[in-house]
Amino acid sequence: AQSVSQHNHHVILSEAASLELGCNYSYGGTVNLFWYVQYPGQHLQLLLKYFSGDPLVKGIKGFEAEFIKSKFSFNLRKPSVQWSDTAEYFCAVNADLSGGYQKVTFGTGTKLQVIP
Amino acid sequence: DTGVSQDPRHKITKRGQNVTFRCDPISEHNRLYWYRQTLGQGPEFLTYFQNEAQLEKSRLLSDRFSAERPKGSFSTLEIQRTEQGDSAMYLCASSQRTGRHDYGYTFGSGTRLTVV
Repeated sequence: AQSVSQHNHHVILSEAASLELGCNYSYGGTVNLFWYVQYPGQHLQLLLKYFSGDPLVKGIKGFEAEFIKSKFSFNLRKPSVQWSDTAEYFCAVNADLSGGYQKVTFGTGTKLQVIP
Repeated sequence: DTGVSQDPRHKITKRGQNVTFRCDPISEHNRLYWYRQTLGQGPEFLTYFQNEAQLEKSRLLSDRFSAERPKGSFSTLEIQRTEQGDSAMYLCASSQRTGRHDYGYTFGSGTRLTVV
């Protein structure tokens, strides 16, 4: 079964600091990987996704993530955070099982608080 | 609005009552998912449909829960004899599956259920 671990539950940064949120998944086969973001009072939105090809993927709002297959990781990064990045971030995995890609499994989320 | 719509946004019910939620997916999407999210957790998978066929149900989904997607369009999630532990945000998402690939979810705003 696929599972996702997000080790940072709550991160507090000052504006302009760099961000890296950890994500590890547990499935040895082919996977699709996602980061979703939930801003306060809003619904979940797709930030970026990895399907294949270049392991460094770029998403909206200056976010990027790197897929490292050997480490089963898909960490999210941003060089300089803004107060508007305050939100909860969810890593998610979708495994290519015998019948193709099925459901997405989410991590428990990381709450990011950016202090002006 | 061409996003995923969920109704109602909030539902307060007494323990033991039945509740039904509705989800209208993006019309071009052939997959529809139900997830449940509680405080401090990521979304937990409940069930999903491809067109009108219900392809998987989580073990989280007791016999009190039933979901339908007649004609492969909107979906309903019914909870019978609600319990306080059912209090959560119920999320609906839709996606388009082509071949083996699923290209990422679009979420609705959710229905927040409070059982008193």
